Amino acid sequence: EVQLVESGGGLVQPGGSLRLSCAASGFTVSSNYMSWVRQAPGKGLEWVSVIYSGGSTYYADSVKGRFTISRDNSKNTLYLQMNSLRAEDTAVYYCARTVVTGVGPDYFDYWGQGTLVTVSS
Amino acid sequence: DIQMTQSPSTLSASVGDRVTITCRASQSISSWLAWYQQKPGKAPKLLIYKASSLESGVPSRFSGSGSGTEFTLTISSLQPDDFATYYCQQYNSYSLTFGGGTKVEIK
Repeated sequence: EVQLVESGGGLVQPGGSLRLSCAASGFTVSSNYMSWVRQAPGKGLEWVSVIYSGGSTYYADSVKGRFTISRDNSKNTLYLQMNSLRAEDTAVYYCARTVVTGVGPDYFDYWGQGTLVTVSS
Repeated sequence: DIQMTQSPSTLSASVGDRVTITCRASQSISSWLAWYQQKPGKAPKLLIYKASSLESGVPSRFSGSGSGTEFTLTISSLQPDDFATYYCQQYNSYSLTFGGGTKVEIK
């Protein structure tokens, strides 16, 4: 059974850093594309970042240069390092397994339960 | 980025009603569109991909159609478990984008 479990969320001050983790089971993270998607309170969904099975990484313009996606193959875990956090980064962050049928990422077939990040002084 | 616009933003319906949600893309995305259902406090759940392909395990009362810039999600007979928010998502470009959501409420 595929499972994704996020952790690492919490309250952080503006300008601070936080690292989110997403532990996967039932499949191999390194053999798949994996993404982070966020949802601000009461708002819609926003794609944040993707890591390809080959290791290439891509980011939404809103987080480029501040967030870094990575994975630990030995732990079958996905990460999101978030630096220079802003109030507008406040959201529930979901990790999601990403289906790929061509070259780029397609859609998300499995999601974690999410972890809340609150950026506030 | 490709902009995705859903309508309506809120829809009031009764059990047994046929419900249709529309999603429009700012440029052609062929059939590269997915639909998700999200309930309060839960993660989104994949319903439809490639505009009309039903994800395994999703009830057949859900269907998707469209291509190019206009797409629809139809629930043929609304069930109590279907009251939720629905999102479309395009994957024609590497920068994936979602619609703003349509909340289906009990009438």
